[in-house]
Amino acid sequence: DAEITQSPRHKITETGRQVTLACHQTWNHNNMFWYRQDLGHGLRLIHYSYGVQDTNKGEVSDGYSVSRSNTEDLPLTLESAASSQTSVYFCASMAGFDSWDEQYFGPGTRLTVT
Amino acid sequence: AQSVTQPDIHITVSEGASLELRCNYSYGATPYLFWYVQSPGQGLQLLLKYFSGDTLVQGIKGFEAEFKRSQSSFNLRKPSVHWSDAAEYFCAVGADRGSTLGRLYFGRGTQLTVWP
Repeated sequence: DAEITQSPRHKITETGRQVTLACHQTWNHNNMFWYRQDLGHGLRLIHYSYGVQDTNKGEVSDGYSVSRSNTEDLPLTLESAASSQTSVYFCASMAGFDSWDEQYFGPGTRLTVT
Repeated sequence: AQSVTQPDIHITVSEGASLELRCNYSYGATPYLFWYVQSPGQGLQLLLKYFSGDTLVQGIKGFEAEFKRSQSSFNLRKPSVHWSDAAEYFCAVGADRGSTLGRLYFGRGTQLTVWP
């Protein structure tokens, strides 16, 4: 069955380190999204991509970057981790917008920055 | 700008009781509206969605939601809650145009506790 996976599921890192969170989907969806979830804020969009070589900033993109070299993967990089980036990160993918197909969410990565 | 408000942070109901979770949105055009559920430690699962047409939409797990344009609301309901419904519920509005096409704007969530 097609799926969306995230790795690692849990990560502890130190302030200032570079961290990359992986997201992989097997639906061949063009559209992929990264959100962070914090208590009291719901989910907020970090970056998104409409296809290979396309990336766009969301509302909370400072300190994060993404790259899209193939359809299946959208890794999220924290250039220099900060304590404010301690959060749960969700990746999502979506086929298209003609009928607003469902966004499928991964299981999440819990990141702690100490 | 698009936004979603879920006024209730936490709701507690008894098993078998009816449930209504409130959601109000702000959007300049006909909204694409969604309700997601998140069980502890899990990702988000789509319960139902509204694009157009009948304003009462049915979803999975016995949930339904009603779109009321005049009130900018999309409240989620269930006639009889089961203990397994305890989870966090998110309302979201989808952007359908321009540079933000496809993105979802989420409310802060409502945590549902079910008493046996």
